[in-house]
Amino acid sequence: EDQVTQSPEALRLQEGESSSLNCSYTVSGLRGLFWYRQDPGKGPEFLFTLYSAGEEKEKERLKATLTKKESFLHITAPKPEDSATYLCAVHNTGNQFYFGTGTSLTVIP
Amino acid sequence: DTEVTQTPKHLVMGMTNKKSLKCEQHMGHRAMYWYKQKAKKPPELMFVYSYEKLSINESVPSRFSPECPNSSLLNLHLHALQPEDSALYLCASSQDWTYNEQFFGPGTRLTVL
Repeated sequence: EDQVTQSPEALRLQEGESSSLNCSYTVSGLRGLFWYRQDPGKGPEFLFTLYSAGEEKEKERLKATLTKKESFLHITAPKPEDSATYLCAVHNTGNQFYFGTGTSLTVIP
Repeated sequence: DTEVTQTPKHLVMGMTNKKSLKCEQHMGHRAMYWYKQKAKKPPELMFVYSYEKLSINESVPSRFSPECPNSSLLNLHLHALQPEDSALYLCASSQDWTYNEQFFGPGTRLTVL
């Protein structure tokens, strides 16, 4: 059965303290892996799409990478406005789509 | 216009009521989605509408009924809901049915009494 697990469940960082969020996936066949951020009470906001192992995408302080078993979202020198829940999601070759369990990030000034 | 709008923002209904949620996008997207999100949980896909075809998550009960009047509008009809159906209902759209780069609306907060 397909699974998408994110770790840690919650993360508190000091402003400027870089870190990485993990998304581990077990799927029958990967068509795409996606990263979103979600602020409280709002819909998710699209960040990145990754399609194949070795692929990397960057946007401001965020960088997403993909291997055959997991994806990382690296946050460099985070700011308080980066505080949110970060969700990864997978689209498999069975045309199914799942969100992961999410990581709640808090960046302290 | 890169916005997905949802109405109403909040809805309180009894278990015998019939109500509808509305979602609209004007980005020319050909796929639209309904998700259910419980507190502290990720969104769960309920339905996908693309090119006039409907895909249903088999675990979604029949008291939820989607309707797509045209390519810009997506409704979710609610009937005989249960208190456990209380959640945030999110609508999203994307260019096509690859789930890529979905734009989400702000959601409708539903409470079933």
